[in-house]
Amino acid sequence: NAGVTQTPKFQVLKTGQSMTLQCAQDMNHEYMSWYRQDPGMGLRLIHYSVGAGITDQGEVPNGYNVSRSTTEDFPLRLLSAAPSQTSVYFCASSGSEETQYFGPGTRLLVL
Amino acid sequence: RKEVEQDPGPFNVPEGATVAFNCTYSNSASQSFFWYRQDCRKEPKLLMSVYSSGNEDGRFTAQLNRASQYISLLIRDSKLSDSATYLCVVNPSYNFNKFYFGSGTKLNVKP
Repeated sequence: NAGVTQTPKFQVLKTGQSMTLQCAQDMNHEYMSWYRQDPGMGLRLIHYSVGAGITDQGEVPNGYNVSRSTTEDFPLRLLSAAPSQTSVYFCASSGSEETQYFGPGTRLLVL
Repeated sequence: RKEVEQDPGPFNVPEGATVAFNCTYSNSASQSFFWYRQDCRKEPKLLMSVYSSGNEDGRFTAQLNRASQYISLLIRDSKLSDSATYLCVVNPSYNFNKFYFGSGTKLNVKP
């Protein structure tokens, strides 16, 4: 099993550009989440999904969109990148036992 | 007020020492509690769940105090390999997985 995969690993964007961060899991987990991690801030929840077709906002959703058309995939879209979105992004999935499995992260720099 | 608060540390301890971290949570209805470990520039991984009766896994002991709304992690006989950031995680929801992370406590174990 690959677990949770994320692409790309690194990305540099210019202000105003858009991009999609990919996340996929092969554990048939219902729940998937996106977090950003900034120095001294811990992980903050951006958006989460409780199943295919169902998403909701977390603590810091502004500037990000998500969709969940399949159980496996949960992409995160940055509509118009800003320097404040420079961060490390983690995707996670979990099942009924609540243990979260994280992807390796995407390091994003917005210039 | 943050959902979950932790002392950021760092805690600098010698090998063999016992060290304890606390974490407080704001939602008294919170249901599930966890400690995750994060190594530098890596994704978080589950260290242990925290049960109402407390639980132990080798050198690690976790306790929950619902009345005071805090959870603790005790590490005995610290090893160099215990050096990491320890993240407190809370799920305030009854019926789905939506997790809030503390900012993490950094532990440095010195020879």
